[in-house]
Amino acid sequence: DTGVSQNPRHKITKRGQNVTFRCDPISEHNRLYWYRQTLGQGPEFLTYFQNEAQLEKSRLLSDRFSAERPKGSFSTLEIQRTEQGDSAMYLCASSLNPDINGYTFGSGTRLTVV
Amino acid sequence: GQQLNQSPQSMFIQEGEDVSMNCTSSSIFNTWLWYKQDPGEGPVLLIALYKAGELTSNGRLTAQFGITRKDSFLNISASIPSDVGIYFCAGLPRDDKIIFGKGTRLHILP
Repeated sequence: DTGVSQNPRHKITKRGQNVTFRCDPISEHNRLYWYRQTLGQGPEFLTYFQNEAQLEKSRLLSDRFSAERPKGSFSTLEIQRTEQGDSAMYLCASSLNPDINGYTFGSGTRLTVV
Repeated sequence: GQQLNQSPQSMFIQEGEDVSMNCTSSSIFNTWLWYKQDPGEGPVLLIALYKAGELTSNGRLTAQFGITRKDSFLNISASIPSDVGIYFCAGLPRDDKIIFGKGTRLHILP
């Protein structure tokens, strides 16, 4: 088990472009979470999947953001028409039983919108 | 929404000193978690606490789940250079998502 894997690690894009990030969770974890972290802040919840079902979305997730987990395994987070304010670290986490083990986070994707 | 107040925001200490940081909330949590984040990496779980009043150790780290379920502290004894990083407290309400504090940045002076 290699933990939670995120790709790419870094992404620089021009304002207005679309970007897509991928997260591969720990294989037996049925829960998958996306968080966003800006400089000097703690991670903030974006959205959550249990298996392939997207169960909750934060109000931080504008309609330019969409996340999928088509087969209940890997997940993608797409941002359309990127804005400079989207620059942040996007963290993916997975869990089997969060009350016992919390979440296991990936190394994140650092997005810079120029 | 629920917020966690973590203090101090940053600490500058000498190697070998003990460190203490804490977190308070206006809401009750069922689980308190402490994570450490190194630059350019995701947070890594250090300690998880499940019961009010629980005191748990992990090597040089000790954390406690407050009796009111609204606070927690983390102590690091005899700090070493690799302790440098950002420490986050996090609370997990029942059947909900982890909420993070803003972090305590630990700097160790040689």
